[in-house]
Amino acid sequence: QSALTQPPSASGSPGQSVTISCTGTSSDVGGYNYVSWYQHHPGKAPKLMIYEVSKRPSGVPDRFSGSKSGNTASLTVSGLQAEDEADYYCSSYAGSNNYVFGTGTKVTVL
Amino acid sequence: QVQLQESGPGLVKPSETLSLTCAVSGSSISSGYYWGWIRQPPGKGLEWIGNIYHSGSTQYNPSLKSRVSISVDTSKNQFSLKLSSVMAADTAVYYCARRGLASAFDIWGQGTMVTVSS
Repeated sequence: QSALTQPPSASGSPGQSVTISCTGTSSDVGGYNYVSWYQHHPGKAPKLMIYEVSKRPSGVPDRFSGSKSGNTASLTVSGLQAEDEADYYCSSYAGSNNYVFGTGTKVTVL
Repeated sequence: QVQLQESGPGLVKPSETLSLTCAVSGSSISSGYYWGWIRQPPGKGLEWIGNIYHSGSTQYNPSLKSRVSISVDTSKNQFSLKLSSVMAADTAVYYCARRGLASAFDIWGQGTMVTVSS
């Protein structure tokens, strides 16, 4: 299984929105509604931000939203804040008890 | 709250076996979740290694399956990873995590760096 494709970087000014794409295939992203997104500040534990394509765990701000169309999932961060600067990874169930992560996107708050 | 803590050697020689343990606190490992291992090589993205259920049922990444073994010790409330015949490419930060909500990894350990070098 190949890693899901994400843009290496994305950026926005405080208060703006940024959207990160996550492209897979019909065998993973397109085949299941089990796409999740993780925020990773280097040196810390990754944090689950979105699960099941668009659901937010308790405590995650509603500035974070997820969606999916075909083989591509997206994470949108609205009202960017300085603390949102981090690496973001998508992940998908890939069938047959397999899981695949994305290549990662570094979000910079300008 | 549920916490996970990885432990194990930070340096492993090439061709030897990497062994790590993840201690679970704040929850029973038999509480109905899968527990997993994920790694991140320096400068690269996350890679799923495998999961285990408290019954011992396992799921492995096909690309690592021939070298990976994950086990669980319910009496100690912990699970372990063994990766055999390691090489430099196995150098990474290794995380343990709980696979919870809809196949998402909802709780993660802080990670432990393992370097493969002679």
